[in-house]
Amino acid sequence: QQQVKQSPQSLIVQKGGIPIINCAYENTAFDYFPWYQQFPGKGPALLIAIRPDVSEKKEGRFTISFNKSAKQFSLHIMDSQPGDSATYFCAARISGSARQLTFGSGTQLTVLP
Amino acid sequence: DVKVTQSSRYLVKRTGEKVFLECVQDMDHENMFWYRQDPGLGLRLIYFSYDVKMKEKGDIPEGYSVSREKKERFSLILESASTNQTSMYLCASSSVRGDQPQHFGDGTRLSIL
Repeated sequence: QQQVKQSPQSLIVQKGGIPIINCAYENTAFDYFPWYQQFPGKGPALLIAIRPDVSEKKEGRFTISFNKSAKQFSLHIMDSQPGDSATYFCAARISGSARQLTFGSGTQLTVLP
Repeated sequence: DVKVTQSSRYLVKRTGEKVFLECVQDMDHENMFWYRQDPGLGLRLIYFSYDVKMKEKGDIPEGYSVSREKKERFSLILESASTNQTSMYLCASSSVRGDQPQHFGDGTRLSIL
């Protein structure tokens, strides 16, 4: 049973565009929502994370928007660059669990020059 | 920088063989994880360990076992490899303190013929 649903599966934008990746969850026990970025041939790396007590978090060109009532969160990449081309995974962690993350299915982003 | 090292980038084995995938981390992390990554399915947790000689099943443990004899090393074992275990395998580690991210190795692409 997939507990974190991610869309779209792939996304192509022009340089400077604002790609948006969406995730939805069902388990209200989730309390920590990270995004990971994976380049070809590399393992995923933490990009940005948010807790449900805030509605938005911004780090550089990357912004997470969080809607607790809708149980949805999304990643926005401002002024996207070809170097942002990667696979992005959302994830969620259950409250009180220091260990386990449930990952979405991933979005392959291509930013055209 | 945290370094998680997986012993092989590519591995080819035959059906029925016993396969060992090794992972070593250098940050004294308590938690270690094994995932498999398949297109469209994201990262699925096979097993994790929160201490030496301790292990817990993840979402897809069938056909796998693990060993953690030393804190820095976590091994994934395919008892009798099958073709449906052809996949990318990712190891990760994390600290138990606060919202510490999982740090991933670069993966082992395993092909079972």
